[in-house]
Amino acid sequence: EVQLVESGGDLVQPGGSRRLSCAASGFTFRNSAMSWVRQAPGKGLEWVSAISANGDSTYYADSVQGRFTISRDNSKSTLYLQMNSLRGGDTASYYCRTHTGGGWGQGTLVTVPS
Amino acid sequence: QSALTQPASVSGSPGQSITISCTGTSSDIGKYNYVSWYQQHPDKAPRLIIYDVVDRPSGVSNRFSGSKSAYTASLTISGLQADDEADYFCSSYASSGTLVFGGGTRLTVL
Repeated sequence: EVQLVESGGDLVQPGGSRRLSCAASGFTFRNSAMSWVRQAPGKGLEWVSAISANGDSTYYADSVQGRFTISRDNSKSTLYLQMNSLRGGDTASYYCRTHTGGGWGQGTLVTVPS
Repeated sequence: QSALTQPASVSGSPGQSITISCTGTSSDIGKYNYVSWYQQHPDKAPRLIIYDVVDRPSGVSNRFSGSKSAYTASLTISGLQADDEADYFCSSYASSGTLVFGGGTRLTVL
């Protein structure tokens, strides 16, 4: 069974940084492209970033381009999201998922006061 | 404005079946069989209920089913129950570099 467990969310001051992690199990992580998705309070789901299976290709939504960095460690079956220059609009629960959609985590909350 | 179009709300009575549509384009739903559906109860995290258009994760009731035709994906819930009252979101793979989501549909069980 696919399992994705996010961690690292916290209260972060504007302009601050935070790194999120997503531990994967139950599938061949090194063969799977992965994504981060977020949901602001009371809002819908928004794709944030994606990374290819080998990590060579990365993609970002315009709203986070230049501030967030996605990466992965296939030896640890772990996905990361480094978030810099955080702002109030980044307040959300962050979820990792397999890029094609067969896996989904429980989320981790990042709060950035406005 | 969301990339995928869902009705804002649908409703049904217990025991009935309802269908929620999710309309995209030839670049997403029309091109790939990677449509997912999520159920979200108030103040809870979204829960994956359908992936790859028709597949259900383990533990998800077979009352939930997915389908796709051309640019529109659909989620059908049969034998409607009170606990099915929730928000439902669709998503689609749109390329190796992006995913698109619907704005969500509020299901009310009458």
